[in-house]
Amino acid sequence: QVQLEESGPGLVKPSETLSLTCTVSGGSITSYYWTWIRQPPGKGLEWIASIYYSGSPNYKPSSGSTNYNPSLKSRVTISVDTSRNQFSLKVTYLTAADTAVYYCARMTTDGIIDYWGQGTLVTVSS
Amino acid sequence: EIVLTQSPGTLSVSPGERVTLSCGASQSVSRFLAWYQQKPGQAPRLLIYDAINRATGIPARFSGSGSGTDFTLTISSLEPEDFAVYYCQQRSNWITFGQGTRLEIK
Repeated sequence: QVQLEESGPGLVKPSETLSLTCTVSGGSITSYYWTWIRQPPGKGLEWIASIYYSGSPNYKPSSGSTNYNPSLKSRVTISVDTSRNQFSLKVTYLTAADTAVYYCARMTTDGIIDYWGQGTLVTVSS
Repeated sequence: EIVLTQSPGTLSVSPGERVTLSCGASQSVSRFLAWYQQKPGQAPRLLIYDAINRATGIPARFSGSGSGTDFTLTISSLEPEDFAVYYCQQRSNWITFGQGTRLEIK
């Protein structure tokens, strides 16, 4: 059974950078899109970014393997650490509008989001 | 960006009733639409993918239909555990979600 678990700070100051990590267990990180989605308190879901890992031993992230929500692209970076079965998200220049539960998830190459982490609440406040 | 509009926003129903939730897309997404259920404090759970296919372990009372711009999720007979928020999601042009429909007990 695939399991995903988010980790990172629960409180971040405005204008600072948020770093989140998702650890994948119970399955291969190969040949899926690893994805971040967020949900502000009491609101709906917003896709942030996805990264694809092909499993190639010479893997290097390319523009074709990472995809970003256009509304967040200038502030977001997604990356994968295959040696640790983890993927990560960085969001810069945080504001209160970035306060949300952040979910990591697995998306198939058909675009189906089939496994989710339990989510981690990130509050942006001074 | 493809905008998904769900209706109604909230639906008050009784256990045992049949309910139909709607999701409309601002442009055609073919059949690339999924439905998720979310309960308080939990991550969303995949119910239906590609408009009509039930995900693994999803009861047969859940069914999906539609294509192009108009989609529905039907629950044939509501069980107490079905009261939750339901989201549609398209994968035709990356990923967007509808704003959700809340099912509440009448």
